[in-house]
Amino acid sequence: GENVEQHPSTLSVQEGDSAVIKCTYSDSASNYFPWYKQELGKRPQLIIDIRSNVGEKKDQRIAVTLNKTAKHFSLHITETQPEDSAVYFCAAPDSWGKLQFGAGTQVVVTP
Amino acid sequence: DGGITQSPKYLFRKEGQNVTLSCEQNLNHDAMYWYRQDPGQGLRLIYYSQIVNDFQKGDIAEGYSVSREKKESFPLTVTSAQKNPTAFYLCASSGTGTGEEKLFFGSGTQLSVL
Repeated sequence: GENVEQHPSTLSVQEGDSAVIKCTYSDSASNYFPWYKQELGKRPQLIIDIRSNVGEKKDQRIAVTLNKTAKHFSLHITETQPEDSAVYFCAAPDSWGKLQFGAGTQVVVTP
Repeated sequence: DGGITQSPKYLFRKEGQNVTLSCEQNLNHDAMYWYRQDPGQGLRLIYYSQIVNDFQKGDIAEGYSVSREKKESFPLTVTSAQKNPTAFYLCASSGTGTGEEKLFFGSGTQLSVL
């Protein structure tokens, strides 16, 4: 089955700097890679996703890159702001169509 | 904040007691899911359902049961067989359950043991 590993588990950045979170997956058949953001006390929400037919996707200050050969994908947040502080989860579907989530990255943006 | 509603927000379970967590959605989604969230362990799938009257076990189904009698509802029962039930439980739904579509999450239920 699919195994998703996420690093780092915690990430502290200065406001205005960039943050990068990396995930690796094991099932080479996976074709969809979403990222969810969970603010403290709130529900996870999809912030960006990428499909295997593209290598990079951007949405304002966030971007996701995908390397299918190496089986890893990354979330990039530029010009970080205090509201970016949250837990971020990557995910990938297994062969039964169920999303497998990484363990999460706690991002703290300090002023 | 409509779409998918979980209740209650907080729940306490006594030893040997079964408790039921409610999940209702008005998104007309076919697929519904239950996840358990523990600190540092991400979201782990308990059960999922892609159609009414059908459901499948996820990765950590032992000690839990579900039903899907209506499209809108997917209640989760935490039975006395679940020896470590303290966790944050999240319900989610998606259009068809292909695994390649957006998940909509409820606001969660925090379950604690008395």
